[in-house]
Amino acid sequence: GENVEQHPSTLSVQEGDSAVIKCTYSDSASNYFPWYKQELGKRPQLIIDIRSNVGEKKDQRIAVTLNKTAKHFSLHITETQPEDSAVYFCAPHGGTNAGKSTFGDGTTLTVKP
Amino acid sequence: GAVVSQHPSWVICKSGTSVKIECRSLDFQATTMFWYRQFPKQSLMLMATSNEGSKATYEQGVEKDKFLINHASLTLSTLTVTSAHPEDSSFYICSATTGTRSNQPQHFGDGTRLSIL
Repeated sequence: GENVEQHPSTLSVQEGDSAVIKCTYSDSASNYFPWYKQELGKRPQLIIDIRSNVGEKKDQRIAVTLNKTAKHFSLHITETQPEDSAVYFCAPHGGTNAGKSTFGDGTTLTVKP
Repeated sequence: GAVVSQHPSWVICKSGTSVKIECRSLDFQATTMFWYRQFPKQSLMLMATSNEGSKATYEQGVEKDKFLINHASLTLSTLTVTSAHPEDSSFYICSATTGTRSNQPQHFGDGTRLSIL
């Protein structure tokens, strides 16, 4: 199965700073790379995703970059705000995993006002 | 769009009880539904993949006789925890995808917090 590593496990930044979370995967056939945000006690919500034919995607303060050769993709959050505080999960999908996702262990982001 | 409804949101019951959790896609047809389990401060662990009209595919280590999954229609999947015990207490979350391609986002339900006394 797919091995997924997510780093760092915790990240604390000052409001306005940038945050970067990296996800490394093992299955070279994976073709879909989403990032989910989960607030305490709530469901995961898709915040951005990228497909294997694209290297970078941006949506306002959030961006995702993909390096298929090195098998990693990263979440970038700029101008962080306290409401960005949550747990973020990567979940590479598809390929030999027959259409299912393997979630990373999560990164707890704390944005200090 | 792509709303997934999960019920109940909270269940507290005695050991030995069977508990059914429903997952419905409200505004789309879900070709595939997934059931996850999440312990406090941990990641989502996939339990099984459910396709409409066929048997669920369980992940290694998940007892299919313990966690019964039924996906009778394109909008409804159910998870029944049979003869639940305190170690089954957890947060159970379903998700659904549309279409037949594998590179589709998952839409999650609000989750069910199960507490077995």
